Formats: sequence, C-alpha cells, structure tokens
Amino acid sequence: GENVEQHPSTLSVQEGDSAVIKCTYSDSASNYFPWYKQELGKGPQLIIDIRSNVGEKKDQRIAVTLNKTAKHFSLHITETQPEDSAVYFCAALSYQKVTFGIGTKLQVIP
Amino acid sequence: EPEVTQTPSHQVTQMGQEVILRCVPISNHLYFYWYRQILGQKVEFLVSFYNNEISEKSEIFDDQFSVERPDGSNFTLKIRSTKLEDSAMYFCASRLAGATGELFFGEGSRLTVL
Repeated sequence: GENVEQHPSTLSVQEGDSAVIKCTYSDSASNYFPWYKQELGKGPQLIIDIRSNVGEKKDQRIAVTLNKTAKHFSLHITETQPEDSAVYFCAALSYQKVTFGIGTKLQVIP
Repeated sequence: EPEVTQTPSHQVTQMGQEVILRCVPISNHLYFYWYRQILGQKVEFLVSFYNNEISEKSEIFDDQFSVERPDGSNFTLKIRSTKLEDSAMYFCASRLAGATGELFFGEGSRLTVL
C-alpha cells in the first residue's frame, strides 16, 4: 500500500517568512496530492491540491510542487501570518484511498 | 456550501459498550470513508465504501468495526465492543467520483472510552 512520509514534524517561522513542508510517497499509481490544514478540534480542511499531470500550482500565498519522478511534493507558504498556525497534512490518493502523512505543526511567531 | 455532517460531536462510553457514529455525506457523493485520529497523531484510514459495499479497509478495521449505509443518506460506523485504545477522533469523509475527486471531511466525532 501507499506510504507517505512528511517532514518536518514541527516548524516555527517568524511572521512574514516562508514555510516549506516536504512529503514523499511510495506508490507510483498515486495521482492526486491534496494538502490539508487542521486547526485544533476541527476536521482537516483542503487548502490546495495538485494532480499528477501538473508540476506546480499556486493559490495566492500557497503553492505546491510535484516531482513525479522522485515521488515527492512540497507545500510552500509565503508571507506567513499568525492565522497560518495549524497542523498541515500532505496526502496521496491511490486506488480511491487517501493516505496521510504524519503532519507538520506550523507555528508562526508574530 | 455542502458539507459532511457528523454526530455526535463527542461521545463518552464505557469499555465494552457498543458505539455508533453517524455521518451524512454530501448528497451527490459516491465514495465514503472513515478515518481515525488518535490525539496528536496522524489521520489514519479505516475503511472506504462504494456502491453499498466496503471497497477497502485497513488492518485497524477488524471484526469489531462495521459500516453501514442504512437509508441512502446516512453512513454509520459501529464499534461493537469498545476498547480503551479506540479513544480517538473519528472523521467521516466523502467525495464525488473519479480518480482525483476532492475529499471532504466532517468536523469529527470525539470518542472517549473509559
């Protein structure tokens, strides 16, 4: 089955700096890679996703890159704000099943 | 905006008791999932359900677990005889169809087993 590795597990940045979270996956059949943001006591919320036929996607301050050959994908948050503080999960979809990474706790220090 | 709804938001039960967690997926979605998240840990896949049957399940989803879509709108997770280690947040999710459909999550049901 699919295995998704994510790092770092915790990340602290100063407000205004960039944050980068990296993930790797094992199953070459995975073709959809969503990123979720989870705030305390809430369910995961999709913030951006990328499909396997695309190398990069951007939505305002958030961007995701995908390298299918190397089986890794990354989340980039620019100009971080305190409200970006949360746990971020990468995930990969393979054969109708979404497998999550372990999560990265991002803290943005004002 | 359509959303996945879950009830109860929090349930406390005694070890050995049966628990049913309920979910109402988004109405035109075809794939339904249950995930579990133990406090501070990753979101773990339990089971996927499509066309009125389980399409895949994890090793966590043993004989104590079952799922059902009793009436075309609800999607339930039953834990037959709860154990302490079943304490977790349980998330229901649904998605439309196709190879890359977005997965929508509910807000979760927190299960505490005493």
